[in-house]
Amino acid sequence: AQRVTQPEKLLSVFKGAPVELKCNYSYSGSPELFWYVQYSRQRLQLLLRHISRESIKGFTADLNKGETSFHLKKPFAQEEDSAMYYCALSSWINRYSGAGSYQLTFGKGTKLSVIP
Amino acid sequence: GAGVSQTPSNKVTEKGKYVELRCDPISGHTALYWYRQSLGQGPEFLIYFQGTGAADDSGLPNDRFFAVRPEGSVSTLKIQRTERGDSAVYLCASSPGTANTGELFFGEGSRLTVL
Repeated sequence: AQRVTQPEKLLSVFKGAPVELKCNYSYSGSPELFWYVQYSRQRLQLLLRHISRESIKGFTADLNKGETSFHLKKPFAQEEDSAMYYCALSSWINRYSGAGSYQLTFGKGTKLSVIP
Repeated sequence: GAGVSQTPSNKVTEKGKYVELRCDPISGHTALYWYRQSLGQGPEFLIYFQGTGAADDSGLPNDRFFAVRPEGSVSTLKIQRTERGDSAVYLCASSPGTANTGELFFGEGSRLTVL
């Protein structure tokens, strides 16, 4: 079964300090991983996906299949980065014979607090 | 509207009552998902619709939970004989189709409180 683990419930860093939000996954197939973010009083939204190899708002994440990790990093934290961050794994689930669907499994989330 | 719309935003009910939560997805999105988010947890999958049919309802916790999407657009999540443990934020999300993996567009959620 697929699983996503975010070991830190809360991460506090000072403005300008580097940030690393940890994510580990368990999945027998070829994983597709994502980071979602939820700012205060806003809806959950996609931040970035590993297949795009993009940097969004200064954040990057590298898929490490050997360590089954997909940590989110930013070299210099900004106050506006304070939010809940969720790591998510997309996997194909076979439910019935000939049927299935992609399912997005989320971690429990890490609350990032950037101290001014 | 441009985004996924969910109503009501807040619902307080008594144990044993029936509740309906509505989701209006982004126009043209054929895939629709319901998730439940309890306090301190990440969103947990409940059910997935592709068009009008429930392609995957494996996340529904028991037979008190049911969801429909009769015309392939708006969906309603129905909870019978509510229990205090059903208290959570119920999130709806949509995406363009089956080929799309991972990018879901979420609504703001319906916060259900069962007293």
